[in-house]
Amino acid sequence: EVQLLESGGGLVHPGGSLRLSCAASGFTFRNYAMSWVRQAPGKGLEWVSTISGISGSTYYADSVKGRFTISRDNSKKMLYLQMNSLRADDTAGYYCANLASTSGDYYETDYWGQGTLVTVSS
Amino acid sequence: DIQMTQSPSSLSASVGDRVTITCRASQGIRNDLGWYQQKPGKAPKRLIYAASSLQSGVPSRFSGSGSGTEFTLTISSLQPEDFATYYCLQHNSFPRTFGQGTKLEIK
Repeated sequence: EVQLLESGGGLVHPGGSLRLSCAASGFTFRNYAMSWVRQAPGKGLEWVSTISGISGSTYYADSVKGRFTISRDNSKKMLYLQMNSLRADDTAGYYCANLASTSGDYYETDYWGQGTLVTVSS
Repeated sequence: DIQMTQSPSSLSASVGDRVTITCRASQGIRNDLGWYQQKPGKAPKRLIYAASSLQSGVPSRFSGSGSGTEFTLTISSLQPEDFATYYCLQHNSFPRTFGQGTKLEIK
């Protein structure tokens, strides 16, 4: 059974840091580019970042560039999102997912985690 | 950056109705588009990939069409479980962009 399990969310003060993790199982993790997608309370979906499967090429939304770092450990089947200099508008549920390859090719499979909530507040 | 303009933002319909949701891309994206359904408190679920291919396990009342800049998601006969929010996503280039969402409500 395919599973993506996020963890690491919580309450953090503005300016603080948090590291999200996403544990993958049930599929060949290294074969897929992986992404983080977030959703502020009551709002739509926002793409945050993507990392390629093998080379580790990374891509970021302008809203998080320079503050967030995506990484992965294929040997552990883990995806990470290091979030620094957090702001109130980073408050959201964060999902890991295999949206598409970094070259734009679709994946026939569609894997999402259940999400982890990040709240940035004083 | 590619902007995805999704319409309508909300839609009231009845069980059995046929509904269509549209996404327009600010520039051509070939068929690099997916459609997602999201229910409250749940992760999104992809219904359509490559603009018109039905995701495995998704009922055939869902269909997608389009290429280039204009795309549609059609539900041929609404069922009670289809009332949800729908999003398009372009994965042609970075940054990836979602449409603003369409909330489908029961009339």
